[in-house]
Amino acid sequence: EEQLVQSGAEVKNPGESLKISCKGSGYSFSSYWIGWVRQMPGKGLEWVGLIYPADSDTRYSPSFEGQVTISADKSISTAYLQWSSLKASDTAIYYCTRHVTFDIWGQGTMVTVSS
Amino acid sequence: QSVLTQAPSVSGTPGQRVTISCSGISSNIGRKTVNWYQQLPGTAPKLLIYSTNQRPSGVPDRFSGSQSGTSASLAISGLQSGDEADYYCAAWDDRLNGPVFGGGTKLTVL
Repeated sequence: EEQLVQSGAEVKNPGESLKISCKGSGYSFSSYWIGWVRQMPGKGLEWVGLIYPADSDTRYSPSFEGQVTISADKSISTAYLQWSSLKASDTAIYYCTRHVTFDIWGQGTMVTVSS
Repeated sequence: QSVLTQAPSVSGTPGQRVTISCSGISSNIGRKTVNWYQQLPGTAPKLLIYSTNQRPSGVPDRFSGSQSGTSASLAISGLQSGDEADYYCAAWDDRLNGPVFGGGTKLTVL
């Protein structure tokens, strides 16, 4: 079965760093772009960025450029989304999904940033 | 504010047919195909329609998609209570060089 499995929920203080993960299985992970999508509480879907695991080519939405870093380790079929200094406004569910049609989605990682 | 425009809500009664619209511009829907996603409460989005009118395996033919100019539509026929969900359209945007989403439409089955 083709699937993406994400790391568990996180509760962090403002200013802390965080790295969440997305592990693919059941398909050739390196051959498909992986996208990250944010969903703030009660809101819609927003594209964060894309990465091609085979060569780590990365694209960011202008809204998120400089705010997050996307990376991947193809040897373990895992993509990452990280923050160096979290803000309360980063509180959201973050999904990874397989590009181009976003046909497979991870279960989501809830990130809560609160003092 | 989302790049693609959707009505916030739509409703229908069981068995009825409803349509959800999605409006874009020339750099996205005007030149690219549209995908639709269904998000049931508390779950991750699920691909419902891709390439404007194609259904992934397992999606009932009650769901159909169409596109004209800079707009696209999702039609749901034979409405069921289990169809209550948020529906999102998405398309690639050549100016952004990335995907853009609609704000979502909440479907209520009365």
